[in-house]
Amino acid sequence: DTGVSQDPRHKITKRGQNVTFRCDPISEHNRLYWYRQTLGQGPEFLTYFQNEAQLEKSRLLSDRFSAERPKGSFSTLEIQRTEQGDSAMYLCASSPPWSYGYTFGSGTRLTVV
Amino acid sequence: DAKTTQPPSMDCAEGRAANLPCNHSTISGNEYVYWYRQIHSQGPQYIIHGLKNNETNEMASLIITEDRKSSTLILPHATLRDTAVYYCIVRGNAGGTSYGKLTFGQGTILTVHP
Repeated sequence: DTGVSQDPRHKITKRGQNVTFRCDPISEHNRLYWYRQTLGQGPEFLTYFQNEAQLEKSRLLSDRFSAERPKGSFSTLEIQRTEQGDSAMYLCASSPPWSYGYTFGSGTRLTVV
Repeated sequence: DAKTTQPPSMDCAEGRAANLPCNHSTISGNEYVYWYRQIHSQGPQYIIHGLKNNETNEMASLIITEDRKSSTLILPHATLRDTAVYYCIVRGNAGGTSYGKLTFGQGTILTVHP
């Protein structure tokens, strides 16, 4: 068990480009969460999956954002037509069926230039 | 989930106990108090959680007042590696409609100095 893995760790992209991030949760964890964190702020909830079902989405998740977890294992978060305001750390976390104890990954830092 | 209030920053000398307060005056009966910390450039790390009783683990102790309106996280012997942002979060546990999502505030920046 190597914990929650996120890829890439850093991404620099030009405004208007699409980006995709990947999260691999701990293998027996059926719950998966995405959060976004901007400088000096605490993480903000974006979306939640239980197995492959996306059960909750924050109003922060505009229609340029989409998240999937096709087989209930890894998840991807895609941002289309990136804007400078999308620059942030994107964090993934997972938890097992028997607990809401979270394990976070180290995050993907996105910089939109 | 109930709102929490924490001081923006605190200092502590290495080897001394760090006591981090949190107010959660609107906490409801089925809500737990969770503490996470975030070291620079890493994801948040779970520390401890509790409902009513005081809790202790290998990392810290959690003291919850009898009326549950406030709590204190205690790091008994702070080290330089404990320098981090500490988040106090209140949320329901299993069940409900929140699906276990966490609502983070701005936390307390704890600086441990030599």
